[in-house]
Amino acid sequence: AQSVTQLGSHVSVSEGALVLLRCNYSSSVPPYLFWYVQYPNQGLQLLLKYTSAATLVKGINGFEAEFKKSETSFHLTKPSAHMSDAAEYFCAVTPNTGNQFYFGTGTSLTVIP
Amino acid sequence: DVKVTQSSRYLVKRTGEKVFLECVQDMDHENMFWYRQDPGLGLRLIYFSYDVKMKEKGDIPEGYSVSREKKERFSLILESASTNQTSMYLCASRTYGTPVNQPQHFGDGTRLSIL
Repeated sequence: AQSVTQLGSHVSVSEGALVLLRCNYSSSVPPYLFWYVQYPNQGLQLLLKYTSAATLVKGINGFEAEFKKSETSFHLTKPSAHMSDAAEYFCAVTPNTGNQFYFGTGTSLTVIP
Repeated sequence: DVKVTQSSRYLVKRTGEKVFLECVQDMDHENMFWYRQDPGLGLRLIYFSYDVKMKEKGDIPEGYSVSREKKERFSLILESASTNQTSMYLCASRTYGTPVNQPQHFGDGTRLSIL
């Protein structure tokens, strides 16, 4: 079965600093990978998805993620944090076959003014 | 844009009641999902449906049932609500086709409190 590990349940960064949220997956065959963001009292919104066309994927709100097969990772980054980035972030994977998604436990991002 | 609509944002019910949570999507998606979200546990899959009248148990189906009579609607039923079912419930839908890396689209969630 697939599993997803998000290192760090809470991350704090200063406004303007680099954001790095970590995601590792366990699978011998690279799955399809996604990052979602959840603002308070809302559902999950898609930030970006890995398409296999390129290892560096750009998403909304200035976020991007890099797929590294050798490290089984799909870390999310943003060069400069903004106050509006404060939210919970979820990494998710789905295998090449089947319908289920597997979500990490989430990372709560705090942005300090 | 895909729209997934959950019937209630906030709901308060009593122990032992039968509770219905409704979800409707407007994009003719084949797959629909119900999750519950609890602090520190992330999203846990309760049930999913890959087509009308089809359902599969997820990781935590005990105490829940589902109904999918029409493609656009997926209902979650708490047969006899208990306090440990107090949670945030999220519905999602997804098309199943090409390209295969289709994302799930989520509703805004229902925050359910069982007293």
